[in-house]
Amino acid sequence: SQQGEEDPQALSIQEGENATMNCSYKTSINNLQWYRQNSGRGLVHLILIRSNEREKHSGRLRVTLDTSKKSSSLLITASRAADTASYFCATPLSHIDAGGTSYGKLTFGQGTILTVHP
Amino acid sequence: ETGVTQSPTHLIKTRGQQVTLRCSSQSGHNTVSWYQQALGQGPQFIFQYYREEENGRGNFPPRFSGLQFPNYSSELNVNALELDDSALYLCASRRDVSMLGEQFFGPGTRLTVL
Repeated sequence: SQQGEEDPQALSIQEGENATMNCSYKTSINNLQWYRQNSGRGLVHLILIRSNEREKHSGRLRVTLDTSKKSSSLLITASRAADTASYFCATPLSHIDAGGTSYGKLTFGQGTILTVHP
Repeated sequence: ETGVTQSPTHLIKTRGQQVTLRCSSQSGHNTVSWYQQALGQGPQFIFQYYREEENGRGNFPPRFSGLQFPNYSSELNVNALELDDSALYLCASRRDVSMLGEQFFGPGTRLTVL
């Protein structure tokens, strides 16, 4: 099952506009990460926000985290056609597998497909 | 570029065949995770290798297996391929087994099972 759920599933905007994507998660977290994926290729790490942080900036990206609501948002300001991609939130969680081994894994949402029209 | 490479880029197989996918981790990274991403979905964790041993498995059957080598590169093997195995397979490496930091993903291998 998915830990994170992104909203909206798809977003279409014009170049220069801002794009906001939201992510909700179910369990307590240590941090939340946002990744970008171009055309079904590998994921690129964008930004990590820790559970004791409320807001973080990186260039045109702004991420917020509300642990009381178990939600995060990613804002891309002044969007460009090159920002067209799928965006995923991901949370690292600890698990115990069937063999009793404790391990950590990233759990992803289904993603938001962002299309920026020139 | 993350420094993580995967081969091959694309692969077409038929049902019942076996496939081996390869991943070369970023220099200095000792933990490799494998993910399966079906079309339109987020990546799903398959398993993880740390110091040449499997260190956690997601909800995937035993016909999905792997290896990690002394140089920390890794292989994903899938036996008795099924149509539903068609997906993008991603590997990700990180500096240590701790889950606190970012993971570095390779470009993926697109597997099509006919």
